[in-house]
Amino acid sequence: GAGVSQSPSNKVTEKGKDVELRCDPISGHTALYWYRQRLGQGLEFLIYFQGNSAPDKSGLPSDRFSAERTGESVSTLTIQRTQQEDSAVYLCASRRGWGETQYFGPGTRLLVL
Amino acid sequence: GNSVTQMEGPVTLSEEAFLTINCTYTATGYPSLFWYVQYPGEGLQLLLKATKADDKGSNKGFEATYRKETTSFHLEKGSVQVSDSAVYFCALSEAGTASKLTFGTGTRLQVTL
Repeated sequence: GAGVSQSPSNKVTEKGKDVELRCDPISGHTALYWYRQRLGQGLEFLIYFQGNSAPDKSGLPSDRFSAERTGESVSTLTIQRTQQEDSAVYLCASRRGWGETQYFGPGTRLLVL
Repeated sequence: GNSVTQMEGPVTLSEEAFLTINCTYTATGYPSLFWYVQYPGEGLQLLLKATKADDKGSNKGFEATYRKETTSFHLEKGSVQVSDSAVYFCALSEAGTASKLTFGTGTRLQVTL
């Protein structure tokens, strides 16, 4: 079956612009996660959705970052007024139930000039 | 807070050599431990996991044992192949955190003929 998909695969933007990153989880997966990986660093947790609600937003680095999920499916991560330090690979993962494996998408590589 | 420390790469080995990638962790509770692998051009995949002390996770000839006394989860393989060339990430998730993952910085393995 289809895995987690993300779009776009690459995004180049200018400092100060807003960007939207999309994640399509595996069908039937109730939990969805966003992580980011900056160059030379490990993956950092950003936000977790269970269904359409986000009980853990503790990893969002600033109020310029927001995310939503609709229909227990697609999620969008929005970064407003992008800064150069936002440049990273943004990864989405989903899992079906408690204790089950997280499956990762291929990521969106964001470059802020 | 939780953290994962893994050996820096790149690690370069000849085919059929023995592999060890060290991973140690800091956690307040009793985490589950994971190794993820990212092959060139592909997304992160779960390689193996262990959920309690002294458990051994294994897959594709790779093994790692959950050592609570040394807070370690070192990855080993007896005989590496060129196809094992990838980036390996050690990670943990703590009970009660909805399985959000804390990752190490990754170790690049290059296997040559």
